[in-house]
Amino acid sequence: EDQVTQSPEALRLQEGESSSLNCSYTVSGLRGLFWYRQDPGKGPEFLFTLYSAGEEKEKERLKATLTKKESFLHITAPKPEDSATYLCAVQGNRRMNRDDKIIFGKGTRLHILP
Amino acid sequence: DAGVTQSPTHLIKTRGQHVTLRCSPISGHKSVSWYQQVLGQGPQFIFQYYEKEERGRGNFPDRFSARQFPNYSSELNVNALLLGDSALYLCASSLEGFGYTFGSGTRLTVV
Repeated sequence: EDQVTQSPEALRLQEGESSSLNCSYTVSGLRGLFWYRQDPGKGPEFLFTLYSAGEEKEKERLKATLTKKESFLHITAPKPEDSATYLCAVQGNRRMNRDDKIIFGKGTRLHILP
Repeated sequence: DAGVTQSPTHLIKTRGQHVTLRCSPISGHKSVSWYQQVLGQGPQFIFQYYEKEERGRGNFPDRFSARQFPNYSSELNVNALLLGDSALYLCASSLEGFGYTFGSGTRLTVV
């Protein structure tokens, strides 16, 4: 069964203190791994798609990496506006699964203190 | 460009009532999916529709149903509401079923 586990559940950092969020996954044929940002009461906002092990993508202070079992979201010198819940999700190969459902982790609640 | 739009944004219903949630996908997107997000959890897959046909259903009771219209908009219906149905309901659209864009959701409260 496809599964996504994120750690830690919550993380408090001082402004400028870099850290990493972890996403462990199992999926029958990875079609894509996604990172989303979600603000309270809002829908998930797309950040990155990773397709294969070794791939890396960057956007401002965020960098996402992928191995065969894990993905990391590295946050460099974060600012208070980076405070949000970060969701990791996987989509399996349609040959294995008839549908295109996305399996989400529970998320990491990140709080950046000024 | 308009993103995925959902209506209403907030809704309060009584146990046992019926609710209909609506979603308009991004123009040109043929696939619409519905997710339920309970507070503190990640979104859970409910349904996927592609070209007006159901492609997938998550582990939800038959009280949940959906449909997609010729213009690709979609409705999610929930009958006999329970307190546990209180959640943020998210609609997402995609061109071909990969890489979804999410709407802002409908916050449903069942009292």
